[in-house]
Amino acid sequence: EVQLVESGGGLVKPGGSLRLSCAASGFTFSSYGMNWVRQAPGKGLEWISSIPSTSSYIYYADSVKGRFTISRDNAKNSLFLQMNSLRAEDTAVYYCARRGSSLSGFDCWGQGTLVTVSS
Amino acid sequence: DIQMTQSPSTLSASVGDRVTITCRASESISIWLAWYQQKPGKAPELLIYKASTLESGVPSRFSGSGSGTEFTLTISGLQPDDFATYYCQQYKSYLFTFGEGTKLEIK
Repeated sequence: EVQLVESGGGLVKPGGSLRLSCAASGFTFSSYGMNWVRQAPGKGLEWISSIPSTSSYIYYADSVKGRFTISRDNAKNSLFLQMNSLRAEDTAVYYCARRGSSLSGFDCWGQGTLVTVSS
Repeated sequence: DIQMTQSPSTLSASVGDRVTITCRASESISIWLAWYQQKPGKAPELLIYKASTLESGVPSRFSGSGSGTEFTLTISGLQPDDFATYYCQQYKSYLFTFGEGTKLEIK
């Protein structure tokens, strides 16, 4: 079964840091581009970062550029999101999502992990 | 960045109805559009990609159309399980962007 499981969320103070992880199983992780998408409470989906299978080119939404860093470890079937200089507006459920192919959308999502930025 | 605009933001309908949701891109995205369904407290699920290709396992009452800047998601014969929020997403640009969402409610 194809599965993505996020972890690492929690309560952090403004200006603090947090590292999210996403453990993949049931598919050849190294063959797929991966993404982080977040959803603030009661709001819509916001794509925040993507990384291809080879980590060759990485993209970020303007809202997180310079503060967040996406990375992956294909040997450990894991995706990461290092979040620094956190702000209240970063409070959201963070999902990792697999891109099915270069022709497809995000065909597999984790259950999400909640990040709350509050003093 | 490519902006995606969905309409309506909320849609009330009854079981058995046919409904259409529209998504507009701020510039041409060819057919590089996906649709997702999200239920409360759950992760989104991919319904349609390449504007009109149904993801495996998705019921045939869902259909998508369009190209360029205007796209539609149609659900023919609403079922109780279809009441959810729907999002479009462009993937022509690597700065993937989602529409604001359309909440489909029971009338």
